[in-house]
Amino acid sequence: DIQMTQSPSSVSASVGDRVTITCRASQPISTWLAWYQQKPGKAPKLLIYGASNLQTGVPSRFSGSGSGTDFTLTISSLQAEDFATYYCQHANSFPFTFGPGTKVDIK
Amino acid sequence: EVQLVESGGGLVQPGRSLRLSCITSGFTFGDHAMSWFRQAPGKGLEWLSFIRSNPYGGTTEYAASVKGRFTISRDDSKRLAYLQMNSLKIEDTAVYFCARGAAHSSGWFDYWGQGTLVTVSS
Repeated sequence: DIQMTQSPSSVSASVGDRVTITCRASQPISTWLAWYQQKPGKAPKLLIYGASNLQTGVPSRFSGSGSGTDFTLTISSLQAEDFATYYCQHANSFPFTFGPGTKVDIK
Repeated sequence: EVQLVESGGGLVQPGRSLRLSCITSGFTFGDHAMSWFRQAPGKGLEWLSFIRSNPYGGTTEYAASVKGRFTISRDDSKRLAYLQMNSLKIEDTAVYFCARGAAHSSGWFDYWGQGTLVTVSS
C-alpha cells in the first residue's frame, strides 16, 4: 500500500499569510493526488485534483503542485474561512489512502 | 443541486450488522463511481470501498480493514449506494461518509454526504 505523510501536522497563521503544506507519497504516484479541506463536524471538500487542478468553485488563492512523490498545497493569502484541516489523498491505485492531515489554526 | 444524504447509522452491538444507504439527487447517478469513507472520533479520513459505474463494470474495491465484512453496492434505478456492514467491531465506530467519484471510475471525490454516525458498543 502507498503511505501518505504530511507536514507540518499543524500550523498557526494569521489572515493574509501564505501557507504551504507538503504531502509525500511512499512511492511515485505521478499526479494522482487530491487535496481536501475539512472543517469540524463537516464533510471533506475537494480543493485540488490531479495534483494541480483547481476544483470548480474553489478560490484561486488555493493552488497545488508536484508530481511523483512530493506535492504541495499553497494558500496564497489565508482568509478567515480557511482555518480547517487539510488532507491529501492519492488515487494512483487501490487502496486509496489519506495523509494524516494538517490543521491550520489562528495565530 | 447535487446532494448526498447518508442514513442507517446508529448504535449496534459487536458482531451485528448494519446497512448504510446513500440517497443521491441532482446528477446522473449512473455516470459516477461511488465510495464510502469513515472517520473515527478525533481521527483522520479512511477510505473503505469503491464501486465503479455500471458502464465501467460496476466492479468493487475494498480496504483491507473491511474486506470480507463490508459490501458496497448500487441501485442506479433508485439512485442509491449502499454499504452492508457485517461482523461489526468496536473499532468500526466512526462517522461514515458516502462520496461521489468525479467520473465513472474516478479516484477523486467531488461531493460528499454529511455523514452518519455508527457506534459499535455492547
